Amino acid sequence: GAVVSQHPSRVICKSGTSVKIECRSLDFQATTMFWYRQFPKQSLMLMATSNEGSKATYEQGVEKDKFLINHASLTLSTLTVTSAHPEDSSFYICSARQSGGVSDTQYFGPGTRLTVL
Amino acid sequence: GQQLNQSPQSMFIQEGEDVSMNCTSSSIFNTWLWYKQEPGEGPVLLIALYKAGELTSNGRLTAQFGITRKDSFLNISASIPSDVGIYFCAGQLIIGGGADGLTFGKGTHLIIQP
Repeated sequence: GAVVSQHPSRVICKSGTSVKIECRSLDFQATTMFWYRQFPKQSLMLMATSNEGSKATYEQGVEKDKFLINHASLTLSTLTVTSAHPEDSSFYICSARQSGGVSDTQYFGPGTRLTVL
Repeated sequence: GQQLNQSPQSMFIQEGEDVSMNCTSSSIFNTWLWYKQEPGEGPVLLIALYKAGELTSNGRLTAQFGITRKDSFLNISASIPSDVGIYFCAGQLIIGGGADGLTFGKGTHLIIQP
């Protein structure tokens, strides 16, 4: 099946710093990638849709200036959490859309655990 | 964002028993997906459903896409210890050439008692 990787797998940073998370589709090209956030014991919530070569689309309530998304190639999207605060601590998961024929499936990365001190 | 109604929230079953969980939505989707997530990892796709009424199996797992396009169920037969985890349903709406992100249910936590 399709493989999606994330880096780093976990990161601890100080309040006020910025953190970049990478999402890569390893064996397919993804024109669309998605970023989700998952708080403990909760479901995944869509944050934004990342489209290769164009601006990301953010869900209501997600600050685009705080969560910067860049999708510069068909296999890489990055999420930068700027001026991170403790309430940004969460599990960030990306997915990459693999499309073909009648199927359109999202494959998820392993997630990045962000802890802001 | 919108969430799906997934039930039950948790299940305590004996090894060997069958498991059934379902999701309902107030709006239609044209794709239903079932994922399993283990602690500290991303969701892993189990079954994808693309047509209303579709019934699909993957080993001991069977899932159906409801006729109304507003619901789906997942069954696991003869459960084994490695089935433990959190199962999420997810709905997706694809319009034209674009795809929305997934809307997830709140998950069903499956616990298997020895």
